[in-house]
Amino acid sequence: DQQVKQNSPSLSVQEGRISILNCDYTNSMFDYFLWYKKYPAEGPTFLISISSIKDKNEDGRFTVFLNKSAKHLSLHIVPSQPGDSAVYFCAASAPGTYKYIFGTGTRLKVLA
Amino acid sequence: NAGVTQTPKFRILKIGQSMTLQCTQDMNHNYMYWYRQDPGMGLKLIYYSVGAGITDKGEVPNGYNVSRSTTEDFPLRLELAAPSQTSVYFCASSRQSPNTGELFFGEGSRLTVL
Repeated sequence: DQQVKQNSPSLSVQEGRISILNCDYTNSMFDYFLWYKKYPAEGPTFLISISSIKDKNEDGRFTVFLNKSAKHLSLHIVPSQPGDSAVYFCAASAPGTYKYIFGTGTRLKVLA
Repeated sequence: NAGVTQTPKFRILKIGQSMTLQCTQDMNHNYMYWYRQDPGMGLKLIYYSVGAGITDKGEVPNGYNVSRSTTEDFPLRLELAAPSQTSVYFCASSRQSPNTGELFFGEGSRLTVL
């Protein structure tokens, strides 16, 4: 049972345009969400997070939106740069569970 | 500023062999985790620890064991290696409990079982 789903395995975007990566979850107890970026042969690195008490969080070119009623979050990257090409994972956690559940990832390719 | 260090980076095992993946963090984090990443499957939690002496199973614990005798170290043991354990393994740590903080990952250990 995949509690966190990223239904798009890959996405290609032109440099300078917006990249939108989507993530859906099924567990209504999740209340904290994170996005990670992963380059080949490296460990994932933290990008941005959002708590369920918010519906938006921004950090530079990265914005995460949370729609709790739809159990959906998205990561917007504006403007996209070739260095953003990587695999992006969303993750979620529920109170008292002491663990993060990850999605399957979306491979973003930003074309120069 | 080493962060989370994993060894070895690469290893080939024969079926039935045993080995231990080492993980050390120098950030004094209480929470530590082992994940495996299979192609197209994302990151699956194997075991986690909320402090020295305390460990618990994650989503895919079968075939693995862990121990946490110190805050810094969280080794993952494979007792009887099987081809299904061919994967990339990531160790991670966090200062705070989930819901408040981020995970810091090591660079990964690529294991092949033949």
